[in-house]
Amino acid sequence: NAGVTQTPKFQVLKTGQSMTLQCAQDMNHNSMYWYRQDPGMGLRLIYYSASEGTTDKGEVPNGYNVSRLNKREFSLRLESAAPSQTSVYFCASSDGMNYGYTFGSGTRLTVV
Amino acid sequence: GDSVTQMEGPVTLSEEAFLTINCTYTATGYPSLFWYVQYPGEGLQLLLKATKADDKGSNKGFEATYRKETTSFHLEKGSVQVSDSAVYFCALSGTYNNNDMRFGAGTRLTVKP
Repeated sequence: NAGVTQTPKFQVLKTGQSMTLQCAQDMNHNSMYWYRQDPGMGLRLIYYSASEGTTDKGEVPNGYNVSRLNKREFSLRLESAAPSQTSVYFCASSDGMNYGYTFGSGTRLTVV
Repeated sequence: GDSVTQMEGPVTLSEEAFLTINCTYTATGYPSLFWYVQYPGEGLQLLLKATKADDKGSNKGFEATYRKETTSFHLEKGSVQVSDSAVYFCALSGTYNNNDMRFGAGTRLTVKP
């Protein structure tokens, strides 16, 4: 099925460990996004990529890096995980501001 | 900045009751407006959208009308079902000030049999 695929679905890290969250879309969308969702705080934008080869910071970029590997793939890296990064992470893609986003199913990350 | 405010939940209704979830926005320019739904353990799914004033978005019995004069986009459904239990998010995009979508905090709906 066409859509946005995120891996892994679940992950537990120890403080200070690093990991990369993977995201791929097969809809030929130009724009891709990484959000985190925390209870009572809605969705907050971490980074986005308006097109292949470009990335920009969102509302909460500290502690994260991203790579737009090609048009399909947009990865999120935590270099040194902290308990404050415990959250559910969603990747999304879009073909323009009037079309809405297609979301992946999320990665549930716990940092202990 | 551009933002969305939606009614706080949780909202609990009996099956076949009428649903309204209020959403108002603040934006420069002429945004597109959206409702998303999130079922437990899943990502957000686009439910409906409207791209200009007076447009009505509709899907699966849900409706919302883009009201520029009141800067609102309230979600309604005439008869809810247990399967409608989820979290609903109002959102806007396409303004002059940002390149992403701005989401409300979400409203949790529980429908009881």
